[in-house]
Amino acid sequence: NAGVMQNPRHLVRRRGQEARLRCSPMKGHSHVYWYRQLPEEGLKFMVYLQKENIIDESGMPKERFSAEFPKEGPSILRIQQVVRGDSAAYFCASSHYRGENTEAFFGQGTRLTVV
Amino acid sequence: SQQGEEDPQALSIQEGENATMNCSYKTSINNLQWYRQNSGRGLVHLILIRSNEREKHSGRLRVTLDTSKKSSSLLITASRAADTASYFCAPNFGNEKLTFGTGTRLTIIP
Repeated sequence: NAGVMQNPRHLVRRRGQEARLRCSPMKGHSHVYWYRQLPEEGLKFMVYLQKENIIDESGMPKERFSAEFPKEGPSILRIQQVVRGDSAAYFCASSHYRGENTEAFFGQGTRLTVV
Repeated sequence: SQQGEEDPQALSIQEGENATMNCSYKTSINNLQWYRQNSGRGLVHLILIRSNEREKHSGRLRVTLDTSKKSSSLLITASRAADTASYFCAPNFGNEKLTFGTGTRLTIIP
């Protein structure tokens, strides 16, 4: 059973371009979380999705950022018109909700660099 | 916002010593999880303690939970160089959302 797969591992974009980050959850997991981490800082929650639904996007900037988790295929975090401040590591986690216990499994992250 | 806060922010100890880090939170929880992050990598789940549990062990890890004080501690005994990492707590406030504090950066000095 493969773990959470994120790709690409590294992504370089020029200011104004679009960045697409992909996350394939563990097999059987229907819950996906996205986090952003700046160097030497903690993980900042961005968005929580279930299949075809956004459950909580309270941590995601209102503009330029969007996320989806379609019925088929990976979850996508999309950043339009990237700016230097978007440079960070973006982590995805997945879980199989079993009532109150929600152990999450993390991918290795995508490091986005905006030049 | 609802999340745990780890303390201290940074901790350096000699190899072989015990390391203790703490987590505080503000509202009632269903459970609390601890995660480890090695530099540049994703988080790895260490242990989950339910709100009706007071202590839990896993290998060299010991977690305690005091719901009256709204705090948890993670103890790593007989530390090793490989324990060098950042440690995060994630209290579950009754929803499925996982949030993290800024973590404790643990350095084990050989």
